[in-house]
Amino acid sequence: EPEVTQTPSHQVTQMGQEVILRCVPISNHLYFYWYRQILGQKVEFLVSFYNNEISEKSEIFDDQFSVERPDGSNFTLKIRSTKLEDSAMYFCASSDQQAMTDYGYTFGSGTRLTVV
Amino acid sequence: AQTVTQSQPEMSVQEAETVTLSCTYDTSESNYYLFWYKQPPSRQMILVIRQEAYKQQNATENRFSVNFQKAAKSFSLKISDSQLGDTAMYFCAFKREYSGYALNFGKGTSLLVTP
Repeated sequence: EPEVTQTPSHQVTQMGQEVILRCVPISNHLYFYWYRQILGQKVEFLVSFYNNEISEKSEIFDDQFSVERPDGSNFTLKIRSTKLEDSAMYFCASSDQQAMTDYGYTFGSGTRLTVV
Repeated sequence: AQTVTQSQPEMSVQEAETVTLSCTYDTSESNYYLFWYKQPPSRQMILVIRQEAYKQQNATENRFSVNFQKAAKSFSLKISDSQLGDTAMYFCAFKREYSGYALNFGKGTSLLVTP
C-alpha cells in the first residue's frame, strides 16, 4: 500500500535555528498538507498546497513558516527562527481529488521536532 | 468556524467488549464529511471510518461502526469485540464539502483495552 514518508523521524534543534521537515507524498497525489500536534493536544491544520501554491492556511501558519515542492517528489516545511513552542509532532499528508472526500488523507508517520 | 468536541478524554474497555466514543460538532453547512482517526503509540494517524453527511446510512468497517445523528450533530464510534491492538488515541474530524481542505480535529479520546 502506498505510503507518505517523512524524514527525519526526530529532529532536535536549537532555538533560533531554521529547520526543514521533509515529506514524500504518494506519487499520484496532487494535494499536500502539513498538520501539527503539540504533545497532549489535538492535531491542528497548518497548510494545504496544490498546483505549486498554498491553497489554504491556518492562523498558525505565519511568516515563520513556508512550504515548497522543490522537485517532483518532495514536499517540505521550513520553520525559520524556531521557538520553544514550535516543539511538536509535524504530520505530512497527501490526497488526490477523490481521496480528499472519500478517504480523507493519507498521513505520514510524523516528525517529532524538539526545540531546545 | 466548525468545532469538534470529544467529551471523553479517557476510556477503558475490556478485551472482547464493546465501547462507544462520542463526538459532537458544530456547523451550519448541510453537507460535510466526518472521520474517525486512530493514533496508536507509534503516533501515525490511521483512518478508521468516514461518513458523508447526506448519506443516512451509518458507515461500518468490520468491527467499527458509527452512529451518525445529523440533527443532533453527533458522530459516535462504536468498537465491537475490542482487541488489545485497539489501544490508541481516537480523533474525530470534520471536513467541509466545497471549500477548504483542512480537517478540523477534536481533542481526542484515549482508549485503553485491557485483558
